[in-house]
Amino acid sequence: GAVVSQHPSWVICKSGTSVKIECRSLDFQATTMFWYRQFPKQSLMLMATSNEGSKATYEQGVEKDKFLINHASLTLSTLTVTSAHPEDSSFYICSAGEGGGGYEQYFGPGTRLTVT
Amino acid sequence: KQEVTQIPAALSVPEGENLVLNCSFTDSAIYNLQWFRQDPGKGLTSLLLIQSSQREQTSGRLNASLDKSSGRSTLYIAASQPGDSATYLCAAHTTDSWGKLQFGAGTQVVVTP
Repeated sequence: GAVVSQHPSWVICKSGTSVKIECRSLDFQATTMFWYRQFPKQSLMLMATSNEGSKATYEQGVEKDKFLINHASLTLSTLTVTSAHPEDSSFYICSAGEGGGGYEQYFGPGTRLTVT
Repeated sequence: KQEVTQIPAALSVPEGENLVLNCSFTDSAIYNLQWFRQDPGKGLTSLLLIQSSQREQTSGRLNASLDKSSGRSTLYIAASQPGDSATYLCAAHTTDSWGKLQFGAGTQVVVTP
């Protein structure tokens, strides 16, 4: 089956610094990648949709300047949390799909971000 | 906007009992309905994906049904085992061009030995 990796699996950073999280599709080309965040005991909340070579589409309420998404190739998307604050601490999960609507998405293992 | 609801929020059963997890969605215009399992602190494991034209999907002890007209899907897990303890999430593939997934809040399942 299709495999999606995330790096790092966990990261601790100080308030005010920036953190980059990578999402890679290992054995397929991902036309579309999605970024989610999940707070403890809550479900996944879609943050943004990214397509290779174009700007990401952010969900309502998600700060574009704070959560920078780059989808430079068909196998790599990155999420950068800029000027991180403790309230940004969360579990970030990416998913990747080979096509648009109706295509199955494959999920990464997630990245635990803790901002101190 | 598509809304997905899962009932119950939590469920505890003794080993060997069958599990029934419910998922409802407000907009019947979906591509697929997908069930996932999530262990604490981990990512998602896809269990079953039901195409909008299908009524059910089966994999081992798992069976998922889909009734688009009523906006419901049910996940059945037969002969539950302690290893089935996890949170189960359902998600509807919306019909926008990107294929977004709308997740329910999940059902936390505990199977006691």
